[in-house]
Amino acid sequence: SAALTQPPSLSVSPGQTATITCSGDNWGDKNVCWYQQKPGQSPFLVIFEDTRRPSGIPERFSGSSSGSTATLTISETQAMDEAVYYCQAWDTSTVIFGGGTKLTVL
Amino acid sequence: VQLVQSGAEVKKPGESLKLSCQASGYSFPLYWIAWVRQMPGKGLEWMGTIYPGDSETRYSPPFEGLVTISSDRSIRTAYLQWSSLQASDTAIYYCVRSCTVPFCYFDSWGQGTLVTVSS
Repeated sequence: SAALTQPPSLSVSPGQTATITCSGDNWGDKNVCWYQQKPGQSPFLVIFEDTRRPSGIPERFSGSSSGSTATLTISETQAMDEAVYYCQAWDTSTVIFGGGTKLTVL
Repeated sequence: VQLVQSGAEVKKPGESLKLSCQASGYSFPLYWIAWVRQMPGKGLEWMGTIYPGDSETRYSPPFEGLVTISSDRSIRTAYLQWSSLQASDTAIYYCVRSCTVPFCYFDSWGQGTLVTVSS
């Protein structure tokens, strides 16, 4: 069945680069987007259509895609970036989310 | 763009429930609105989506027949309803604005409605 796989957790030090992957065998040719969710808050969009940043999202956030894997990269990670990150993809009949990656900035 | 959802609910198993989501700041009929479930401590699940322009709906298979998504263009509001809740429906429910096509990313999220179902 269709699924998007993310690592459950990732830890980085402030100033380092965080790289979060999202893999799906059946979703390689589909657009992917990414959401950030902090505790007690609604998710919000940080990357759409694989690489595009919504207005107001810092340039530190970037997206890429190759084959069946999409990647969210956060450069110069800050404490405020600590959150759960979800990838999402869609096709002509459904929408699917990855399981989420908890990013800890130590 | 703003999506304002109705307040938290506490219900008993078997009861009915209708959540609302009022939209503002954009042309309501033109964008699909979806509902997303987040069970306690868990990830995000897409439940279904509606096009307020003509009320066309699409459901995720696990939710089809269990919930009903509707909308009222006159008051710019989308709804998610159950006829008979179960304890497993306990979750936060988000309404989200999608694109002008049914399946897309979600660029605006409501604040979420916590639904607690317990006897």
